[in-house]
Amino acid sequence: DAGVTQSPTHLIKTRGQQVTLRCSPKSGHDTVSWYQQALGQGPQFIFQYYEEEERQRGNFPDRFSGHQFPNYSSELNVNALLLGDSALYLCASSLRGTGDTEAFFGQGTRLTVV
Amino acid sequence: ILNVEQSPQSLHVQEGDSTNFTCSFPSSNFYALHWYRWETAKSPEALFVMTLNGDEKKKGRISATLNTKEGYSYLYIKGSQPEDSATYLCAFPQAGTALIFGKGTTLSVSS
Repeated sequence: DAGVTQSPTHLIKTRGQQVTLRCSPKSGHDTVSWYQQALGQGPQFIFQYYEEEERQRGNFPDRFSGHQFPNYSSELNVNALLLGDSALYLCASSLRGTGDTEAFFGQGTRLTVV
Repeated sequence: ILNVEQSPQSLHVQEGDSTNFTCSFPSSNFYALHWYRWETAKSPEALFVMTLNGDEKKKGRISATLNTKEGYSYLYIKGSQPEDSATYLCAFPQAGTALIFGKGTTLSVSS
């Protein structure tokens, strides 16, 4: 079992550009959540996808959007990148995403905006 | 907005010391409380998911307790080893789904 895989591992983008991050969930998991971790902070919830729909969203602007595919993999898109978007982006998968089961995390994508 | 607080922010102990950290969370509408260990250059890994008041869970030298009425959980590490060095995160599911994380406690164990 490959667990949760994220790509790419590192990325450098210029202000104003757009970026797409990808996540493949652990086998058997149907729910994918995305988190942003800035330096000195805990992971901040961006949104959660279940059955190809955005089920819940954190306090992030509309520049952050996502998608879940029929095979449960997911993408996170960020438009009009700002310097403040530089962070580690974590993907987590779980079964049903009900909060009473553990989440499995990928190693993250380190995004640097210059 | 839910607030999950962890203390201390960081901790440095000697090999063999026992230690504990605290996680405080809203006591109303409790659903579950998660603990994760995050080692450098690795993915966060679940230690415990706790759902019942008074629950106590154990995994090797690590254990956790839960008090949902007063809104806190303790994580204990007995006989710390260098491989226990990591950031320990607690998380509270908001609306039963999204995990709201504390800032974590970073533990450093010297041999």
